[in-house]
Amino acid sequence: DAKTTQPPSMDCAEGRAANLPCNHSTISGNEYVYWYRQIHSQGPQYIIHGLKNNETNEMASLIITEDRKSSTLILPHATLRDTAVYYCIGLYGGATNKLIFGTGTLLAVQP
Amino acid sequence: GAVVSQHPSRVICKSGTSVKIECRSLDFQATTMFWYRQFPKQSLMLMATSNEGSKATYEQGVEKDKFLINHASLTLSTLTVTSAHPEDSSFYICSAPRGGINEQFFGPGTRLTVL
Repeated sequence: DAKTTQPPSMDCAEGRAANLPCNHSTISGNEYVYWYRQIHSQGPQYIIHGLKNNETNEMASLIITEDRKSSTLILPHATLRDTAVYYCIGLYGGATNKLIFGTGTLLAVQP
Repeated sequence: GAVVSQHPSRVICKSGTSVKIECRSLDFQATTMFWYRQFPKQSLMLMATSNEGSKATYEQGVEKDKFLINHASLTLSTLTVTSAHPEDSSFYICSAPRGGINEQFFGPGTRLTVL
């Protein structure tokens, strides 16, 4: 699975968009980009995933660059409850395979 | 959505005792489950893959005789920390993928404190 690099922390004002970057320059062609988040002292929660195309769901949008070497998770209107550690993970073969978590980005949403 | 539960949510035990943690998929069957541990202010570290009806697969550096995993049914995997010591104090989390859905579902975690 590709090594991913994320900034250790970011701040965002409540109500504004939060843009979380992830570098995955060694990602291979059939490797998905998955995003999970972990609110303090809870189990992680799936957010979104993608392969090549940009994706959007009720939680977030995922923008993947054309060369697939980086991606950005966008929370369109961050709330205080979005304060969490966000993990970007490269994954072969889909959700049945093991997830290897990096250090993630601690997003602090400020009132 | 799919739910994964863990029991207990919190346990305190004396050094040298064994502790069993249960992970259940409540509304789906899971032939595979994963066990993680997480130390304070650190990321999740994958310990092992639990396979229904067969032996678990442990990650490098994880002692299989210390962390016993049993996946006896399609909805239950257990992790037993044998002869626990203070350094085993950690947050243990399980997850299970659900067929046909591209995500893994995580349990709420079990906080183990060994005195």
